[in-house]
Amino acid sequence: EAGVAQSPRYKIIEKRQSVAFWCNPISGHATLYWYQQILGQGPKLLIQFQNNGVVDDSQLPKDRFSAERLKGVDSTLKIQPAKLEDSAVYLCASSLDWDGTYEQYFGPGTRLTVT
Amino acid sequence: DAKTTQPNSMESNEEEPVHLPCNHSTISGTDYIHWYRQLPSQGPEYVIHGLTSNVNNRMASLAIAEDRKSSTLILHRATLRDAAVYYCILRANTNAGKSTFGDGTTLTVKP
Repeated sequence: EAGVAQSPRYKIIEKRQSVAFWCNPISGHATLYWYQQILGQGPKLLIQFQNNGVVDDSQLPKDRFSAERLKGVDSTLKIQPAKLEDSAVYLCASSLDWDGTYEQYFGPGTRLTVT
Repeated sequence: DAKTTQPNSMESNEEEPVHLPCNHSTISGTDYIHWYRQLPSQGPEYVIHGLTSNVNNRMASLAIAEDRKSSTLILHRATLRDAAVYYCILRANTNAGKSTFGDGTTLTVKP
């Protein structure tokens, strides 16, 4: 079974530029998550999708971050414009469904550096 | 959201058992206890989860207190490859399964 795929693995941009990350979850997984992980901290949930609908985006900075999950499969996370404090690893995860009986599977992450 | 509390760091000797504690005093009746670990430069990896009863799998065992306010992840024989940050989180069966990661426990395994 293929795991969660993310690209790119690394990205360096200047502040005020825009950037997009892509995630392909495990086939058949209804729930997709985007997390932000700042160095030395645990992952922070940015947005959670159930199929192609958003169920939780309470911690997504909506003035600069956006995400979509077209057709309930792949997802993209965009930052526009980027700030220095956005430097972090962006993790995508998926699970078969949203409830607590199901574990989450994480991708390798995209390391973003904003200079 | 229900929160978990873990020690910042723990050390273990190779080939000895390791007991990683987690407190979750505000756990609700429908919250599952999940454990993940994160090796350097990798995404978190699922380890084990349970609701009320103790659980075993090929990676570890999960011991859940009778009142469910704490749990312990048990690695039966630590290896150098077990050195990682271990996260204990609660995943609800309500509220879209919302869960919150803390900062986890950094496990160091000494040869």
